[in-house]
Amino acid sequence: AQSVAQPEDQVNVAEGNPLTVKCTYSVSGNPYLFWYVQYPNRGLQFLLKYITGDNLVKGSYGFEAEFNKSQTSFHLKKPSALVSDSALYFCAVSGTDKLIFGTGTRLQVFP
Amino acid sequence: DTAVSQTPKYLVTQMGNDKSIKCEQNLGHDTMYWYKQDSKKFLKIMFSYNNKELIINETVPNRFSPKSPDKAHLNLHINSLELGDSAVYFCASSPVISGNTIYFGEGSWLTVV
Repeated sequence: AQSVAQPEDQVNVAEGNPLTVKCTYSVSGNPYLFWYVQYPNRGLQFLLKYITGDNLVKGSYGFEAEFNKSQTSFHLKKPSALVSDSALYFCAVSGTDKLIFGTGTRLQVFP
Repeated sequence: DTAVSQTPKYLVTQMGNDKSIKCEQNLGHDTMYWYKQDSKKFLKIMFSYNNKELIINETVPNRFSPKSPDKAHLNLHINSLELGDSAVYFCASSPVISGNTIYFGEGSWLTVV
């Protein structure tokens, strides 16, 4: 069965520093992987996805994610964090007929 | 021009009441979903519909009944509300049922007192 794991409940980073939010996956076959962001009291917003092709996927708001098949990982990255990036981030994998979400990682960017 | 809209955004009601949450998407998508986000922020799928046909019913109590009058609408009716039903309910849609980006509404915050 498809699943994703987000090993960190919270990531803290200083503004201007690079950030990484980790995600590992378990799928049979080729994975379709996604990252979403949820700001307080809002719905989930799509950031980026990996279907096939280049292992480095670029998305919204300057975020990117690196697909690593050997490590079964799909970590979210940004070269320089902003305070406004503080939010809840979800990794997801596409199952047969639904998206399966990780448990979420709260990103806190300090000024 | 909201893509996926759901109403109401906030709902406070007493135990035992019946309530409905409405959802509409103007993206022309074939598939719609209801997800539940609990107090720990975990997201779980409840239902999915593809062209008005129920595809997923993820072991949700039968007090929850989705209804899709057409492929642009998926409403959620909840009977005999319980305290444990307090959560955020998200409607979502996607072009097709598998492998595609899912677009979410802003959520409906349900509090049962």
